[in-house]
Amino acid sequence: DTAVSQTPKYLVTQMGNDKSIKCEQNLGHDTMYWYKQDSKKFLKIMFSYNNKELIINETVPNRFSPKSPDKAHLNLHINSLELGDSAVYFCASSIGPTSGGYEQYFGPGTRLTVT
Amino acid sequence: DAKTTQPNSMESNEEEPVHLPCNHSTISGTDYIHWYRQLPSQGPEYVIHGLTSNVNNRMASLAIAEDRKSSTLILHRATLRDAAVYYCILRDDNQGGKLIFGQGTELSVKP
Repeated sequence: DTAVSQTPKYLVTQMGNDKSIKCEQNLGHDTMYWYKQDSKKFLKIMFSYNNKELIINETVPNRFSPKSPDKAHLNLHINSLELGDSAVYFCASSIGPTSGGYEQYFGPGTRLTVT
Repeated sequence: DAKTTQPNSMESNEEEPVHLPCNHSTISGTDYIHWYRQLPSQGPEYVIHGLTSNVNNRMASLAIAEDRKSSTLILHRATLRDAAVYYCILRDDNQGGKLIFGQGTELSVKP
């Protein structure tokens, strides 16, 4: 069984559209994250939820809205897509937010291309 | 900003040991030292972590300097599958557990 899964794997869309990326973890973890990897391969944290509550919100445009219906799922909705949103988006999970002694598990990524 | 410094790239020969260095001179007492790697077209993968003592697991060893201002990831016998970008990261419990990635070290392994 895949520990952290994301759908879709690839997403090609036009500027101005609204799209969602879904993430699910079956590890029983309390905390989930969204990271963005840009074309220069730089990975940056976007959001984190702990038990369905937002705990990290980096300086991300308001067009990005995460939603956590339960602690096993963290979805990312993006409104009015722009060319600069093209990137690979990774979901991750860990036991908890104050668990520096524990690892994060990453999903396979969703490659978003905005044309 | 990443709080670690790593060489941009390193080369190794297959089946030889590899030592990947990392400097983290501003490390605080609550920071754990984590290493992740990212193989081409995959998500980051946990390798190892430690706080003060050296650590071993099935993938690698982590040697931590006594003053904790530097660490070294050791791959005992590099294989072609170990070619990846290796990230040294300080994880602070006071920051919600987020990982702050730097540029990492791109390791290439020659047969």
